[in-house]
Amino acid sequence: DVKVTQSSRYLVKRTGEKVFLECVQDMDHENMFWYRQDPGLGLRLIYFSYDVKMKEKGDIPEGYSVSREKKERFSLILESASTNQTSMYLCASSSTGVGNYGYTFGSGTRLTVV
Amino acid sequence: AQSVAQPEDQVNVAEGNPLTVKCTYSVSGNPYLFWYVQYPNRGLQFLLKYITGDNLVKGSYGFEAEFNKSQTSFHLKKPSALVSDSALYFCAVRARDTGRRALTFGSGTRLQVQP
Repeated sequence: DVKVTQSSRYLVKRTGEKVFLECVQDMDHENMFWYRQDPGLGLRLIYFSYDVKMKEKGDIPEGYSVSREKKERFSLILESASTNQTSMYLCASSSTGVGNYGYTFGSGTRLTVV
Repeated sequence: AQSVAQPEDQVNVAEGNPLTVKCTYSVSGNPYLFWYVQYPNRGLQFLLKYITGDNLVKGSYGFEAEFNKSQTSFHLKKPSALVSDSALYFCAVRARDTGRRALTFGSGTRLQVQP
């Protein structure tokens, strides 16, 4: 069964900490994405990557950075966590193959910043 | 820029009745359209997609959606709702020919099916 695995389901961090959220996919997908999900706002794109070492800003990149050193792994970094970054974070991957374009999602990481 | 509107925060329907969850979109050129479902404390699961061809798309769990280009809509439908269909539903879009490869999602619609 193909998978996108997020390293933590629940995470509690203190304000100002540097936080790493890890995502690994086993489908050899080219594209990987980080979204945050907040009630009433749906999913908002933070960053995405379409190749190793490549990244593009999404709609809300401020306060975040990403790293993709290997094809299967895409990390989201909160440089200095703040309470307004408390949210559900969802990682997804997709293939560039013709006719595909859909995402496979991880189960999410619920981050609380105190 | 691309966007999705899901005008209803919540849809309530009795078990056995037909259901509709509405979605309209805005995109440059032709769209790729998707529906995803999310159960509590889980990631999103793919339901169905419109890429090209037949405007009526059939997906998982008996769901279907109709692509209407003139109305820029992609409403999700099911002929007979089940209590187990209760979940959060997201519509998503991306442009077929231009722009970034990332999907833009709507705000979600919570479906409640009463026994």
